[in-house]
Amino acid sequence: DAGVTQSPTHLIKTRGQHVTLRCSPISGHKSVSWYQQVLGQGPQFIFQYYEKEERGRGNFPDRFSARQFPNYSSELNVNALLLGDSALYLCASSLAGVFANEQFFGPGTRLTVL
Amino acid sequence: GESVGLHLPTLSVQEGDNSIINCAYSNSASDYFIWYKQESGKGPQFIIDIRSNMDKRQGQRVTVLLNKTVKHLSLQIAATQPGDSAVYFCAEIQRGKLIFGQGTELSVKP
Repeated sequence: DAGVTQSPTHLIKTRGQHVTLRCSPISGHKSVSWYQQVLGQGPQFIFQYYEKEERGRGNFPDRFSARQFPNYSSELNVNALLLGDSALYLCASSLAGVFANEQFFGPGTRLTVL
Repeated sequence: GESVGLHLPTLSVQEGDNSIINCAYSNSASDYFIWYKQESGKGPQFIIDIRSNMDKRQGQRVTVLLNKTVKHLSLQIAATQPGDSAVYFCAEIQRGKLIFGQGTELSVKP
């Protein structure tokens, strides 16, 4: 069975551009969460979606947005990129919410902003 | 603010020895804690979890201990193997969000 998949694996952008990252959850999982992991630090929660609705939001600016599609895949969008947005962006899927179920993480998308 | 932190950024152990990775948390209201393992180039992988109504939980070669009095969490790995080399994160559920600590890099010497 396929795990959580993310695309692209690597991405290079320049300041001011926007980016769209994609995530496909494990089959049957209805919840997707997004995390930002800066080098040398733990992942930081950005969003959680469950059944296509936003269920949680971390302390990130409005430049960050996300959505979940009917097939439970998800996109993370970041506008007006800053150098500080360079990080590994992780997607995790679970059957339901964070509390009740184990989250399965994808390999991440490495974003570099120049 | 509230945070989950780790005592040591790196830990080096001999293959076959036991490893202990420590974590301090500051939110006494947290009731669910998780340990993750992250290998280079991969996302975090769930290892073991524990709820605040427990003080110990065992898995395969791993044990998590929770001391609520001093707000301390530890992960013990028995008979550490080269494949255990990775960064280990503790995390807690805080106001519906999964909050990670900084991480400890475990290096296993053959």
